[in-house]
Amino acid sequence: DGGITQSPKYLFRKEGQNVTLSCEQNLNHDAMYWYRQDPGQGLRLIYYSQIVNDFQKGDIAEGYSVSREKKESFPLTVTSAQKNPTAFYLCASSIRRLDEQYFGPGTRLTVT
Amino acid sequence: GDSVTQMEGPVTLSEEAFLTINCTYTATGYPSLFWYVQYPGEGLQLLLKATKADDKGSNKGFEATYRKETTSFHLEKGSVQVSDSAVYFCAPIGSQGNLIFGKGTKLSVKP
Repeated sequence: DGGITQSPKYLFRKEGQNVTLSCEQNLNHDAMYWYRQDPGQGLRLIYYSQIVNDFQKGDIAEGYSVSREKKESFPLTVTSAQKNPTAFYLCASSIRRLDEQYFGPGTRLTVT
Repeated sequence: GDSVTQMEGPVTLSEEAFLTINCTYTATGYPSLFWYVQYPGEGLQLLLKATKADDKGSNKGFEATYRKETTSFHLEKGSVQVSDSAVYFCAPIGSQGNLIFGKGTKLSVKP
């Protein structure tokens, strides 16, 4: 079955540590995205990538970094510079940039 | 700038009631419009879409019509079920080519 996988589902870290969230898709989609969701809020775009080896900042990129070395993979690193990292992180992909996006199950990150 | 406004929730209905969730947007041109649904603790699922004016998207009994005159894309369902309880997001594609999300509308359906 084609889809998007994110792992782990729950992640706990101590303040000051960097942490990397995994996102893999086997849909052969060119575009991939990372969103952050806070309780009772909509989604905010962190980074997106239209093709391999290229990515762009979204609305709230500060304190985050990404890479896109393979078409299938778009990992997100939450650095210690991110002031409020505790949130639900969602990865998505689409065939091309303006097409409908398909979402993974999300990773809930808690930093204490 | 680009924005989307959804009716405030939570919306509480009895099973088999009629559902309307209002959505209006501000964006350049005539963007593609989407409704997504999020069940507790899960990612978002695409519910339906419309890519041009007067298009009607439909799926699982839900419908929404792209109204360019009123820049609206209201979600409707004739008879809701308990299993429809979730958070619903209206999302147009903004001028930067990204989905624009509102806060979502939480729907609770009681048996």
